[in-house]
Amino acid sequence: DVKVTQSSRYLVKRTGEKVFLECVQDMDHENMFWYRQDPGLGLRLIYFSYDVKMKEKGDIPEGYSVSREKKERFSLILESASTNQTSMYLCASQGSLFYGYTFGSGTRLTVV
Amino acid sequence: QKEVEQDPGPLSVPEGAIVSLNCTYSNSAFQYFMWYRQYSRKGPELLMYTYSSGNKEDGRFTAQVDKSSKYISLFIRDSQPSDSATYLCAMDPGAGSYQLTFGKGTKLSVIP
Repeated sequence: DVKVTQSSRYLVKRTGEKVFLECVQDMDHENMFWYRQDPGLGLRLIYFSYDVKMKEKGDIPEGYSVSREKKERFSLILESASTNQTSMYLCASQGSLFYGYTFGSGTRLTVV
Repeated sequence: QKEVEQDPGPLSVPEGAIVSLNCTYSNSAFQYFMWYRQYSRKGPELLMYTYSSGNKEDGRFTAQVDKSSKYISLFIRDSQPSDSATYLCAMDPGAGSYQLTFGKGTKLSVIP
């Protein structure tokens, strides 16, 4: 069974901290995505990557950066966490033969 | 006009009812149509996947696509309390596109 694993289910961080969210997929997928999900706003794309060391900005990249050093791992970095980054963060991967995504279980981040 | 419109609900039905969930879209290039189910505090999981127009059935679930009307539906027969979740529609134009376009989701509660 294909899997996308996010390193943490729940995180609480302080304002100004640097935060790392990790995502690993075991499907040899080329494309990986980071979304945040907020009530009433739906899924919003932060960044995506279609290859190792490649990245593209999504709709809301401000305050975030990403890293993809290996095909299976895609990291989201909050450079200086702020309270408005409190959200559910979802990682997804996508292979070339199927257009749908496989999502991870999500990380619920609270910034205090 | 937003690319994908989906009524957020909430929708509350008695157990055993037939449920109809719908999305409309504006981009005539969309070719692939998906429905995701998301339980509370979990990541979305792919439920149904349809290419172009027509119907697809899987157990109690039927996905319907009407490209002429730019309208897609998900029907759930004999609804169960375990169907209580948020349902998101998603679409992709294919042709090497990376990104799905999501609806905001409809929250469904099936009351025993």
